[in-house]
Amino acid sequence: EAQVTQNPRYLITVTGKKLTVTCSQNMNHEYMSWYRQDPGLGLRQIYYSMNVEVTDKGDVPEGYKVSRKEKRNFPLILESPSPNQTSLYFCASSFRQGAATNEKLFFGSGTQLSVL
Amino acid sequence: GQNIDQPTEMTATEGAIVQINCTYQTSGFNGLFWYQQHAGEAPTFLSYNVLDGLEEKGRFSSFLSRSKGYSYLLLKELQMKDSASYLCARLTTDSWGKLQFGAGTQVVVTP
Repeated sequence: EAQVTQNPRYLITVTGKKLTVTCSQNMNHEYMSWYRQDPGLGLRQIYYSMNVEVTDKGDVPEGYKVSRKEKRNFPLILESPSPNQTSLYFCASSFRQGAATNEKLFFGSGTQLSVL
Repeated sequence: GQNIDQPTEMTATEGAIVQINCTYQTSGFNGLFWYQQHAGEAPTFLSYNVLDGLEEKGRFSSFLSRSKGYSYLLLKELQMKDSASYLCARLTTDSWGKLQFGAGTQVVVTP
């Protein structure tokens, strides 16, 4: 089944304890992206990747890191989480994004993160 | 959402029609998406417009006016399962791959 898999679904942690949220897609998509969703603010893009080893900042990249060593995986790393990073996080992928082709996004099920 | 405006909430009766408007910054515009998101779930794709005009897909239609920075999503013959948040998202040429979402419009369908 074609899907985007995020883990974990729920995560409670404490300030400063490094964590990684994993994201994997099995559709051979070139484009992957991370979003956070907060009430009243909608989805805000954190980082995106146009292809392997190509990543770029979205609108709210501070406090986050990403890597794209393989096409299927795009983990989100919080080196030193803080309470203002408490949010619902979504990973998404599409075949590609760019000037000539704009493809719909497939989203993972989300990760609800609480930083105490 | 940044530079994207849509109403916060709309209420309509089952069987009725609802139109959700979205206005956005026109500079660097490269296409507009609509997504549906049920409570506690991930967004799912509804439509994509890059040229002016109306795109129809069953009960849902989406319209775009590039010059006016305006789009709408039309939901016809509303069903209870249409109660959800509807997200407008703008693709920008400022940086390929950057997608900006509006805050979403919560549609409540009543019996």
